[in-house]
Amino acid sequence: AQSVSQHNHHVILSEAASLELGCNYSYGGTVNLFWYVQYPGQHLQLLLKYFSGDPLVKGIKGFEAEFIKSKFSFNLRKPSVQWSDTAEYFCAVNVRGSYIPTFGRGTSLIVHP
Amino acid sequence: KAGVTQTPRYLIKTRGQQVTLSCSPISGHRSVSWYQQTPGQGLQFLFEYFSETQRNKGNFPGRFSGRQFSNSRSEMNVSTLELGDSALYLCASSAQGGGNTIYFGEGSWLTVV
Repeated sequence: AQSVSQHNHHVILSEAASLELGCNYSYGGTVNLFWYVQYPGQHLQLLLKYFSGDPLVKGIKGFEAEFIKSKFSFNLRKPSVQWSDTAEYFCAVNVRGSYIPTFGRGTSLIVHP
Repeated sequence: KAGVTQTPRYLIKTRGQQVTLSCSPISGHRSVSWYQQTPGQGLQFLFEYFSETQRNKGNFPGRFSGRQFSNSRSEMNVSTLELGDSALYLCASSAQGGGNTIYFGEGSWLTVV
């Protein structure tokens, strides 16, 4: 069965710092990859996704993620975080042909103003 | 386009009772999936329905059940509630499932006392 690992469970940064959240998955076949964000008191929403093509994917609010197939990774990055980026971030992987994505346990990001 | 709607948003039940949660997917979406979110376990998949049929099931006991109606609305039921069932229950919908992007509702907060 596929699994998704998010190595950082809690990250604390100051505003303007750079962010990189790790995500690794265990399946060797073709995958669809997602990052979701859950702001305090809000529902999970899609940040960005990769299905095929350019492995560098740009999402909303200045986030981007790079799919590195050889490393089974899909790390999320942002060059300069803001206080409003404080949220929980979930990586999800869906094996092509499977109906259900597998989610990582999430990373809690706190950005200090 | 209205998003995924879940009711009720908050509820408190006592051990041994049963609860029914409701989900209305985005119009036109035929796949509805349910997740349990807890601080320690992240998002855990419960089950997925497509065209009134349960297509996938996670590793939860039989006390957790669900169904989908012909209008794609879905309900999940938890019988004989236990304290450990306290969680945020999330419903998500997608057009077809199968690797498509899923969209989440705001969730139903269940507290079992």
